[in-house]
Amino acid sequence: DTEVTQTPKHLVMGMTNKKSLKCEQHMGHRAMYWYKQKAKKPPELMFVYSYEKLSINESVPSRFSPECPNSSLLNLHLHALQPEDSALYLCASSQGWRVNTIYFGEGSWLTVV
Amino acid sequence: AQTVTQSQPEMSVQEAETVTLSCTYDTSESDYYLFWYKQPPSRQMILVIRQEAYKQQNATENRFSVNFQKAAKSFSLKISDSQLGDAAMYFCAYIPGNTPLVFGKGTRLSVIA
Repeated sequence: DTEVTQTPKHLVMGMTNKKSLKCEQHMGHRAMYWYKQKAKKPPELMFVYSYEKLSINESVPSRFSPECPNSSLLNLHLHALQPEDSALYLCASSQGWRVNTIYFGEGSWLTVV
Repeated sequence: AQTVTQSQPEMSVQEAETVTLSCTYDTSESDYYLFWYKQPPSRQMILVIRQEAYKQQNATENRFSVNFQKAAKSFSLKISDSQLGDAAMYFCAYIPGNTPLVFGKGTRLSVIA
């Protein structure tokens, strides 16, 4: 059973909508991640938070806006997305972001119409 | 660039047989972690096994074991007594010190009853 919980599991949104993906972990981890995964491809790193501060932004378009309200929660705010942004969005966490095992949630399937 | 190469896009194995998935990587770091993740059709990324580079002993988790050859930068996964539930995409990945997880492109494993 995963200890990284993501909601919603499925989301369909229009290109003018504003929505959010949520992630929660209760393992006491201090690093949290957002990955984007397209079909038949490996996950691509989007953002890394370490101790609630944004450590890495992999040149992600501003229509994706991450937020880390506290050490257990990670949000991804979505606005004005494009159909090509449709993908599986994976949240993950680890004890720290350097040389540590990363644990993934079940993912949120996003479809942009 | 730090890369992970999985040279077998697809593999198949008969139920109860043994299969080995290959992985090579390229890093200049001396201390790093290596991982195999499994992603079944449900798309959750599940940690199968991990190996610390400083440990010479190969990691083992039940039916899963690795052959870690540090000098050759090789990290293969052996699955013994294959089961239908082992059918999935398998990703080799590593954390090269100060950067987050780097994934290979994956190997799709089919298990034939």
